[in-house]
Amino acid sequence: KQEVTQIPAALSVPEGENLVLNCSFTDSAIYNLQWFRQDPGKGLTSLLLIQSSQREQTSGRLNASLDKSSGRSTLYIAASQPGDSATYLCAVHRGGADGLTFGKGTHLIIQP
Amino acid sequence: EAQVTQNPRYLITVTGKKLTVTCSQNMNHEYMSWYRQDPGLGLRQIYYSMNVEVTDKGDVPEGYKVSRKEKRNFPLILESPSPNQTSLYFCASSDPWTSYGYTFGSGTRLTVV
Repeated sequence: KQEVTQIPAALSVPEGENLVLNCSFTDSAIYNLQWFRQDPGKGLTSLLLIQSSQREQTSGRLNASLDKSSGRSTLYIAASQPGDSATYLCAVHRGGADGLTFGKGTHLIIQP
Repeated sequence: EAQVTQNPRYLITVTGKKLTVTCSQNMNHEYMSWYRQDPGLGLRQIYYSMNVEVTDKGDVPEGYKVSRKEKRNFPLILESPSPNQTSLYFCASSDPWTSYGYTFGSGTRLTVV
């Protein structure tokens, strides 16, 4: 059964720092991997989607990489801002009828 | 705007009183699913639907029902809610074989007392 682990569980850094969030998964037979952001009590906002054949995706200050063979993905946030404070969730998808398997998230606080 | 709409956003009910949480998507997606989110357990899939009239159980289906009579709608039904179903619920839709991933609704906070 697929398991997804996110490290660290929580992170607090000063504004302006570059940071890396880690996601690992046990079964490399994935179709894609998706990073989400969740604000307290709110829904999930999709940040980046990486297909299994891709190595990375970029959107603004965010860059996500995927190493499928080693079962790892990283989310890189450049020049962090207080508005980036949220929980970041990593989810893998086997494709077809299978649902997403989520990690438990990294709770990120950016100090002004 | 492409979106998944859930209603209600917040719901407090009593044990045993049947309730329905609605979910609608405007992206013509064939695949829809329901998740619940609990502290320490993360997000877990309850039910999913590959298309109209095609539904199947996810990881935690006990105590829930779903129906898919129209492509755009996928309601979640709790026929006899219990306190252990107090949770944050999310509906999601996707086209599983494209590169667009999943779109989630804003969530329904359910409290069963």
